[in-house]
Amino acid sequence: NAGVMQNPRHLVRRRGQEARLRCSPMKGHSHVYWYRQLPEEGLKFMVYLQKENIIDESGMPKERFSAEFPKEGPSILRIQQVVRGDSAAYFCASSTTGQGGYGYTFGSGTRLTVV
Amino acid sequence: AQSVTQPDIHITVSEGASLELRCNYSYGATPYLFWYVQSPGQGLQLLLKYFSGDTLVQGIKGFEAEFKRSQSSFNLRKPSVHWSDAAEYFCAVLKAAGNKLTFGGGTRVLVKP
Repeated sequence: NAGVMQNPRHLVRRRGQEARLRCSPMKGHSHVYWYRQLPEEGLKFMVYLQKENIIDESGMPKERFSAEFPKEGPSILRIQQVVRGDSAAYFCASSTTGQGGYGYTFGSGTRLTVV
Repeated sequence: AQSVTQPDIHITVSEGASLELRCNYSYGATPYLFWYVQSPGQGLQLLLKYFSGDTLVQGIKGFEAEFKRSQSSFNLRKPSVHWSDAAEYFCAVLKAAGNKLTFGGGTRVLVKP
């Protein structure tokens, strides 16, 4: 039973390009959460999704960031026109229920570097 | 809004010595409490969690944590550290029945031979 799979592990983008980060939840998990970890900081919640629905996007920057979790396929975190300040580790977690404490499983993250 | 404070940014401990990592939270009610460990370049692994009941919680890798309501604390301990315990440790809280974790800033643990 594979865990939460994130790819790519490392992503380098030039300023102004788009970054697409993918997250495949654990088998049987239908709830996905994205967190961002800036250098030397803890993780900050970004968005919570269920299949085809955004439930809570209170942590998402208002511009350039979007997330989806389609009926088929992985969840995607998309960052348009990246800037240096977007350089961070982006972690995805999944759970079986919307009550995250009962079984959050984190992926290994995608480390985005903007040059 | 809830918040989590880990007062120690770095801790250096000798192999075999005991370790205690501090965590204080601010929240109106008792939240769910967690400790995660992150090895360099890796994701987060859950060490232990507290929801209710016995305030001393046992976790994996020989770690334990004690919830103290009066001090709003959830400190993590290990009696004897191993070199493999060198990592960053994060305390986190979750509002009961909530869906998003609030993390502390982390404590980086270095283990001396």
